[in-house]
Amino acid sequence: EPEVTQTPSHQVTQMGQEVILRCVPISNHLYFYWYRQILGQKVEFLVSFYNNEISEKSEIFDDQFSVERPDGSNFTLKIRSTKLEDSAMYFCASRDRGGDTQYFGPGTRLTVL
Amino acid sequence: ILNVEQSPQSLHVQEGDSTNFTCSFPSSNFYALHWYRWETAKSPEALFVMTLNGDEKKKGRISATLNTKEGYSYLYIKGSQPEDSATYLCAFEMGYSTLTFGKGTMLLVSP
Repeated sequence: EPEVTQTPSHQVTQMGQEVILRCVPISNHLYFYWYRQILGQKVEFLVSFYNNEISEKSEIFDDQFSVERPDGSNFTLKIRSTKLEDSAMYFCASRDRGGDTQYFGPGTRLTVL
Repeated sequence: ILNVEQSPQSLHVQEGDSTNFTCSFPSSNFYALHWYRWETAKSPEALFVMTLNGDEKKKGRISATLNTKEGYSYLYIKGSQPEDSATYLCAFEMGYSTLTFGKGTMLLVSP
């Protein structure tokens, strides 16, 4: 069964460093999302992406964040200068055109020291 | 600010017990209500997407109901098994877009 994959599973970085989180959505899906969950809190929406552009973003998704679909298969989230409060589990999700279900990857746990 | 609440926060039952959880959400601008099952270190697994008031969906021993007028959904597990142990998340969708999640109900089923 097709699935969303994410790499790495765990990333540790120093405050101020740039990180890139990678996702491979389900093939032929057209809508892509990033969410995050800070430990003990709710899963929060960050950004949605369709047709090679951001379609929606939350207040969390400020100038430090960017997304890209560099080729036909990968979808990346970049944090330019990480802060301690960026420590969270980051989930990628994808959805087919006409489909209601968002399929989630297993997440990348980001730890900022 | 959309508020999605789930109760209880956690639940510990014995194998064979039936159980249910609640998700409450805004009753306006409703498009869909999603249920996910999430085991640690795995991808959240989509259980149901519910769109119509009065909807009832079933997948094996798990079923869900939806009341959009009063803004709640129930998830039921009949005859819980240890493998049902997971966090159950609900998420509200407004207008075919992003998901707003509740905090989840953590279920532990003891043999």
